[in-house]
Order: sequence, then C-alpha cells, then structure tokens
Amino acid sequence: DTAVSQTPKYLVTQMGNDKSIKCEQNLGHDTMYWYKQDSKKFLKIMFSYNNKELIINETVPNRFSPKSPDKAHLNLHINSLELGDSAVYFCASSQPRAGYTFGSGTRLTVV
Amino acid sequence: KNEVEQSPQNLTAQEGEFITINCSYSVGISALHWLQQHPGGGIVSLFMLSSGKKKHGRLIATINIQEKHSSLHITASHPRDSAVYICAVRPLSSGSARQLTFGSGTQLTVLP
Repeated sequence: DTAVSQTPKYLVTQMGNDKSIKCEQNLGHDTMYWYKQDSKKFLKIMFSYNNKELIINETVPNRFSPKSPDKAHLNLHINSLELGDSAVYFCASSQPRAGYTFGSGTRLTVV
Repeated sequence: KNEVEQSPQNLTAQEGEFITINCSYSVGISALHWLQQHPGGGIVSLFMLSSGKKKHGRLIATINIQEKHSSLHITASHPRDSAVYICAVRPLSSGSARQLTFGSGTQLTVLP
C-alpha cells in the first residue's frame, strides 16, 4: 500500500527518557513533515524537510530533532521528555501541486 | 488571533441535512486544504484548492481568494460524516517547504 506509515502508534514513557518516532513514505514525495496536535486538537508545524533544506519552527525546543537517513524517512528524536510533550505527533509528506498525505499519528504520553 | 479561523466550532445536524463549514484566513496563500479527522484518528486530505470549486461525491469545497474565504459543504449528510473538519492554508511565506497553518477545526456530529 502506498502510504505514510509511522511507528509506534502509542508510546508511554517516563519523564526524562529519550524516545524516537519513525516515519516512512513510499509515495515518492519530496518533502516530509512533523506536526504536533495538542490536547485541544490544534495542529502546528514542527519541522519540514526535503533533501535540500530543514526548516525548524522556532518554537520547538531543541530537545526535538529530526533525522532523515534518506528521502523516504524522517524520524523524530526527543530527548529528556517532559510532561508537556504529551500530544499526538503526525508525520506527513507532500509533493508540489499535490495534496498532503498524513500518517496515522503517534500518541505520546509522558508520565 | 489565529491566521486561520473556522466556524462553527461545533455543529450538530440531523441526517440528510445540508452542512456548511466556513474558513477565513488573513495571509496570502498558495493553496488551501480541507482535512477530515475521525475519532482516534488519522487525518485524511479531502481537497486542495487554489481557486474555484471542487466536488467529490457529496462534498463540495469552494474558495474565494479575493475575500480570503473558503467553505466546505456536505450534501445529504450521514452519521458516518461525523468527524472533525480542519481547514489549513499554505502561506505564500512557506515557500518550497509548503508548510501548513491550521484552523482549530469544526466538530461535526450527524444524528440518525
């Protein structure tokens, strides 16, 4: 199936831990993204990345870092997790003049 | 004030009713997206618009670039249409990154 797939779907972890969320797209899109959806269901951009440029939302703490081993993958690493990091994180991809495709989301709960 | 405003925030309708969700934005854009999110759910892209009108099944999306306004219409609504509908714009300032700025969503509930 052509899709954006992200793993894990659920992640429960303790404060202070380091965790990663993986994302892969097989659509051949040139740009991938990480979005955060807060408890009020509001979505905000965290990062966008293509093979030329990483754009970071300036409000994102530097504990968050994207890692892209190749054009089809954009993983999200989070260091020293805090309670406020609890949210749903969506990976997405897009291509010029095409729509967006979103992953199914990762619900992160920090306890 | 958010760059993208949606109304209403919540909408309850009876099955079969015609539904309209509105979206206004305050920045220059290269495209506008309508997204659907079901409970527990992933996000599905319904439409991408840069002008005019698009139709897919019972869903119709329109945009007026001059007035910075878009509407999503659902004809003959059905309980399975119950979801959060999100308007998102691609600001001209996002350039080649094509990042989206989102409205706060409209929770639609269609009662049988």
